[in-house]
Amino acid sequence: KQEVTQIPAALSVPEGENLVLNCSFTDSAIYNLQWFRQDPGKGLTSLLLIQSSQREQTSGRLNASLDKSSGRSTLYIAASQPGDSATYLCAVYSSASKIIFGSGTRLSIRP
Amino acid sequence: ETGVTQSPTHLIKTRGQQVTLRCSSQSGHNTVSWYQQALGQGPQFIFQYYREEENGRGNFPPRFSGLQFPNYSSELNVNALELDDSALYLCASSLAGRSSYNEQFFGPGTRLTVL
Repeated sequence: KQEVTQIPAALSVPEGENLVLNCSFTDSAIYNLQWFRQDPGKGLTSLLLIQSSQREQTSGRLNASLDKSSGRSTLYIAASQPGDSATYLCAVYSSASKIIFGSGTRLSIRP
Repeated sequence: ETGVTQSPTHLIKTRGQQVTLRCSSQSGHNTVSWYQQALGQGPQFIFQYYREEENGRGNFPPRFSGLQFPNYSSELNVNALELDDSALYLCASSLAGRSSYNEQFFGPGTRLTVL
């Protein structure tokens, strides 16, 4: 059974710092891995999707990596800004139909 | 191209009642998945519909049921509501096919409160 874990559950850093969010999964047989952002009380905003054959994806200040063999993904955020404050969710496509989500990392960027 | 839409945005029901939530998939998509997100948790997979048939189900009781219509829109029905059903319900659409990697696109969600 696929399980997805995100550590830490919460993180607070000063503005301008580079930071890394971690995601681990127990079954390496995945289709895709996707990172989402969620603002309080809102839906999900897709940030990056990495296909199983890829090792990383980049979009602006964000870079996501995938290491299937070790069951890990990281989301790197460069030069953090207060507007980056949100919950970040890692999601693993464990089959063509089913996504398994982690519980998220709640990120706070201090001005 | 329109994105995934859900209605209503908010809903308040009492325990024991029944509720229907609606989702319109993104243009061109043939698959709809539903997720339940309790406060402080990640979304949990409820079920998926592909071409009007259930195509995978998570660990939810039978009182959670769904439909997909010929235009690929979908409904989530929950009978005999319980307090623990209070959550954000998310709908996601995708295009299933041999060459696609089935990226799911999420709607804004319906916030259900059960009193």
